[in-house]
Amino acid sequence: SAVISQKPSRDICQRGTSLTIQCQVDSQVTMMFWYRQQPGQSLTLIATANQGSEATYESGFVIDKFPISRPNLTFSTLTVSNMSPEDSSIYLCSVNREQGMEQYFGPGTRLTVT
Amino acid sequence: LAKTTQPISMDSYEGQEVNITCSHNNIATNDYITWYQQFPSQGPRFIIQGYKTKVTNEVASLFIPADRKSSTLSLPRVSLSDTAVYYCLVGYTGFQKLVFGTGTRLLVSP
Repeated sequence: SAVISQKPSRDICQRGTSLTIQCQVDSQVTMMFWYRQQPGQSLTLIATANQGSEATYESGFVIDKFPISRPNLTFSTLTVSNMSPEDSSIYLCSVNREQGMEQYFGPGTRLTVT
Repeated sequence: LAKTTQPISMDSYEGQEVNITCSHNNIATNDYITWYQQFPSQGPRFIIQGYKTKVTNEVASLFIPADRKSSTLSLPRVSLSDTAVYYCLVGYTGFQKLVFGTGTRLLVSP
C-alpha cells in the first residue's frame, strides 16, 4: 500500500486568490494523479503528473488554471488559480505503485471559495 | 475506456448480503474490473479486482459472467460501517488513469 498525505486538509479562500495543495507519498512513485470531487458527485480526473515532465491535463482543465509541479518521485502540488466559487470542491491526489488499477488516494483537500 | 452503469442507490439492513451490479457492455479483451469504496470526507479505497469468473478476498467477492458484460460486487453480512459509495471501474491493467462513474450509494440500516 501507500500512505498519502495532503496539505491543507481544508481551506476557505476568497475569489481571485490562489491556493496550492501539497501531496506527499511515503515512497517513490512514477505517476501521481489529481482529482476533483464536487459535493455529492463522483471524481473527475484533472491531470496526470509524471516526475520530470509536464503534466497531462484532461479535457476541460488547463495548466493556467491548475498548474501542477512534480519536483521528485514522492511529492506534487496542485495550484487552483484565480479561484471562483465554482472551484469549491474536494481535491484529491492519488498514486499507482504497481501495474494495475489499484490506486491509493489521499484524504483530500476541501476547498471553499467565497 | 469502457463506460459503466450502476444503480444510483441501494438500501440494506445489517447482516444481509448486498449485491451491487455493474454493466459494462463495451468491455475490451484486456480490461479488468475494479471496485472502490468511498466514505464521506475520504478518498476512494480499493476493494477488489477481477478479470473473469469469481474473485474473493477478505472483504468482498466479485462475480463476472463469461461474457464479462457485467459484474457483481458481493458484500457478505453488511454492517452499518459499510454505508458508503461504491464505484465500478473498467480498464486494462497498466492503464493507470481511472475514470469514475456515478457510483452506487449504499445505505445500511440497523
